[in-house]
Amino acid sequence: KNQVEQSPQSLIILEGKNCTLQCNYTVSPFSNLRWYKQDTGRGPVSLTIMTFSENTKSNGRYTATLDADTKQSSLHITASQLSDSASYICVVSARAAGNKLTFGGGTRVLVKP
Amino acid sequence: DSGVTQTPKHLITATGQRVTLRCSPRSGDLSVYWYQQSLDQGLQFLIQYYNGEERAKGNILERFSAQQFPDLHSELNLSSLELGDSALYFCASSVGEGSTYEQYFGPGTRLTVT
Repeated sequence: KNQVEQSPQSLIILEGKNCTLQCNYTVSPFSNLRWYKQDTGRGPVSLTIMTFSENTKSNGRYTATLDADTKQSSLHITASQLSDSASYICVVSARAAGNKLTFGGGTRVLVKP
Repeated sequence: DSGVTQTPKHLITATGQRVTLRCSPRSGDLSVYWYQQSLDQGLQFLIQYYNGEERAKGNILERFSAQQFPDLHSELNLSSLELGDSALYFCASSVGEGSTYEQYFGPGTRLTVT
């Protein structure tokens, strides 16, 4: 069964600090992995998308890594800002799976001043 | 603003009733996706349409149905509503039907069933 597990479930960090969120998946055959940012009560917004051959991708202060061998991804937030407070969702899609995306449960990040 | 619009923003209804949620995709996008996000739960994929045809089905209940019209807007119909159907319903659109295409999410419709 295709699954995406994220850790931690939630974390609190001080403004200006860095943090790393983890995503482990069992989706197969792998097509691509995305990280989304979702503010409370709003629709998710894409941060990065990576295919099998990519192992790192950046979007401003957000850097995602992918290890397709171990089926792990991470999202690193550098120099966190108050506006980074949100849920971060890891989404994995499988090839030839009717375009179904498997969503992780998300990591809720709270940045405190 | 993603360019995807959803109406209504909020909907409160009673158990057993039927409601229709509406989504207009971004200009030029042919694919529409519907998702459900219950309180404190992750997003669940419901169904995808591409250019008017159903392309993929997720965990969509038989009480739920959807369609995409010739002008590409889509509607999600929820019937015989139960308390557990209370959730945020998101629509997303993409230019193509494959999973590599970027999906742009709308602001969502918050459904409360009392």
